Amino acid sequence: QVQLVQSGAEVKKPGASVKVSCKASGNIFTSYYMHWVQQAPGQGPQWMGAIDPSGGSTSYAQKFKGRVTMTRDTSTRTVHMELSSLRYEDAAVYYCASWGSTGDYWGQGTLVTVSS
Amino acid sequence: DVVMTQSPLSLPVPLGQSASISCRSSQSLVHSDGHTYLNWFHQRPGQSPRRLIYKVSNRDSGVPDRFSGSGSGTDFTLKISRVEAEDLGVFYCMQVTHWPPAFGPGTKVDIK
Repeated sequence: QVQLVQSGAEVKKPGASVKVSCKASGNIFTSYYMHWVQQAPGQGPQWMGAIDPSGGSTSYAQKFKGRVTMTRDTSTRTVHMELSSLRYEDAAVYYCASWGSTGDYWGQGTLVTVSS
Repeated sequence: DVVMTQSPLSLPVPLGQSASISCRSSQSLVHSDGHTYLNWFHQRPGQSPRRLIYKVSNRDSGVPDRFSGSGSGTDFTLKISRVEAEDLGVFYCMQVTHWPPAFGPGTKVDIK
């Protein structure tokens, strides 16, 4: 059974960084890219970037370039997304997700609150 | 970057009736490999999105045949026949032909 389990909710101050983790079970870790998607309150999903868990190569959306870093740990089948220099508008639910011809898999989402 | 638009943005539908959602892209979604990578997702309140349709018209495993996708180039449609209560939520189209992937703004379906 494929599952993506994300780390818990975070509360951060403006200017701080947040690191969200996503642990994969099953056999998808090296099959598909792992994507990160931001969903602000009441808004649609926005693609942030992706990492190839096999080789570690990354691709980031222009909006987040310079502030986002995606890494992976193959030994624990975990990918991480770190967003720095947090702004109030970064308050959102962050999802890890993987999709391909055999289906799509999503984490449960991690709520990040930005508050002074 | 490709821009995705959807219409309508809100769609009240009586139970048992059909519904149709339009999705348009700012450029053709035909990939150089000949495939068209247009997906449809459904998101219920408080839940993660779930893919219904991939490559325009292919239903994911477990998706009822009430859902069908069609279209080509820049114009695509998701049809729901016999809307059920479990269909409420927001439907998003998403293209993965061109990098970066892009979602549409969403169509909120509620039960009339």
